[in-house]
Amino acid sequence: AQKVTQAQTEISVVEKEDVTLDCVYETRDTTYYLFWYKQPPSGELVFLIRRNSFDEQNEISGRYSWNFQKSTSSFNFTITASQVVDSAVYFCALSEEEGGSEKLVFGKGTKLTVNP
Amino acid sequence: GAVVSQHPSRVICKSGTSVKIECRSLDFQATTMFWYRQFPKQSLMLMATSNEGSKATYEQGVEKDKFLINHASLTLSTLTVTSAHPEDSSFYICSASKGETQYFGPGTRLLVL
Repeated sequence: AQKVTQAQTEISVVEKEDVTLDCVYETRDTTYYLFWYKQPPSGELVFLIRRNSFDEQNEISGRYSWNFQKSTSSFNFTITASQVVDSAVYFCALSEEEGGSEKLVFGKGTKLTVNP
Repeated sequence: GAVVSQHPSRVICKSGTSVKIECRSLDFQATTMFWYRQFPKQSLMLMATSNEGSKATYEQGVEKDKFLINHASLTLSTLTVTSAHPEDSSFYICSASKGETQYFGPGTRLLVL
């Protein structure tokens, strides 16, 4: 069965610090997708990134970067020079195809608090 | 873009009444939409997969007669919580698939008194 583990329940940093959110996944599929979503206090889930299982290149988008390593089944997310607006719950998710629809399996989320 | 809206954003109702929540994909068509429930400080729990023009597929433990789903068009899915009770109070979030990515609505906070 597919599973996503976000071992860090809560992280608290001071503004401008770098922070890495860990995500480890389990799947038997050879083709799959990994995602990160941000959920600010307002509740809406904001899509951040999608990575397919055949693309292990790391990606950088502004202050955000992602490190995908199939060898360790990890898809970690780093925020550089964190800001107060980065405070949110971050979810890592894995897609599985079941019955023709792509379901998402979510981790339990990591609550990030960035203090001024 | 990929914008998904939900209406209403919050609703308070009396026990025993039914509540309908709408999920719309505003700038794309979605043959598949998903309905999730989220309890405070917890992750999202998939309730059902809604496919346009066919019956929804419910996850184990979700009562299909309690949570009615209708996906009448490629841009609209509705979730009706029938005969709501206080234990149905929760945050309900929908998503719509565009390619391999699910885009989420802003959620609906339901409080049943």
